[in-house]
Amino acid sequence: SQQGEEDPQALSIQEGENATMNCSYKTSINNLQWYRQNSGRGLVHLILIRSNEREKHSGRLRVTLDTSKKSSSLLITASRAADTASYFCATAPQTGANNLFFGTGTRLTVIP
Amino acid sequence: DGGITQSPKYLFRKEGQNVTLSCEQNLNHDAMYWYRQDPGQGLRLIYYSQIVNDFQKGDIAEGYSVSREKKESFPLTVTSAQKNPTAFYLCASSQNGEGGYTFGSGTRLTVV
Repeated sequence: SQQGEEDPQALSIQEGENATMNCSYKTSINNLQWYRQNSGRGLVHLILIRSNEREKHSGRLRVTLDTSKKSSSLLITASRAADTASYFCATAPQTGANNLFFGTGTRLTVIP
Repeated sequence: DGGITQSPKYLFRKEGQNVTLSCEQNLNHDAMYWYRQDPGQGLRLIYYSQIVNDFQKGDIAEGYSVSREKKESFPLTVTSAQKNPTAFYLCASSQNGEGGYTFGSGTRLTVV
């Protein structure tokens, strides 16, 4: 399977704390993306990091990519209750196929 | 506003019936995708289309069919051959090449 895996499967933190989620994948990639999903809704694109990039920031989000270890992490700083959602990583393969392969997700709960 | 619309939001099907899920986008995106999501799991690719009148099978295409007669529309038919169709179905679109996906809000299909 080309699907990635997120770790941990579930994470519970207090409001104001930082949340870190990790993603591991198996094949060479063109880029890696992170998405957020509120319960029962569609996914929302958060950030994209290319294979030649190591770190990227967007607001309170920080994404790192280590292609040698085939892993990525998503850091949400100063978490808010509204950040409660599932977070998925998705990889775009280097083969050029325009498909994304999604991981199994991390369920984040931010306690007010 | 540009976006992607899935309908209906909830759908109930009797065993042995075919049902069609609608997906329409006004983003002028070339590529469209259908994913299936089971509880607590990631997304699995059913079918995708990179251009009008062309589509490709994903990882779990058996028991499903699609058409792409118009750029804006990519309906998914769940046939009676799909043995376990109860799931949350997500449609997405993207501009071909690098970039994030835009997702619809999903259709929850239940077999009764």
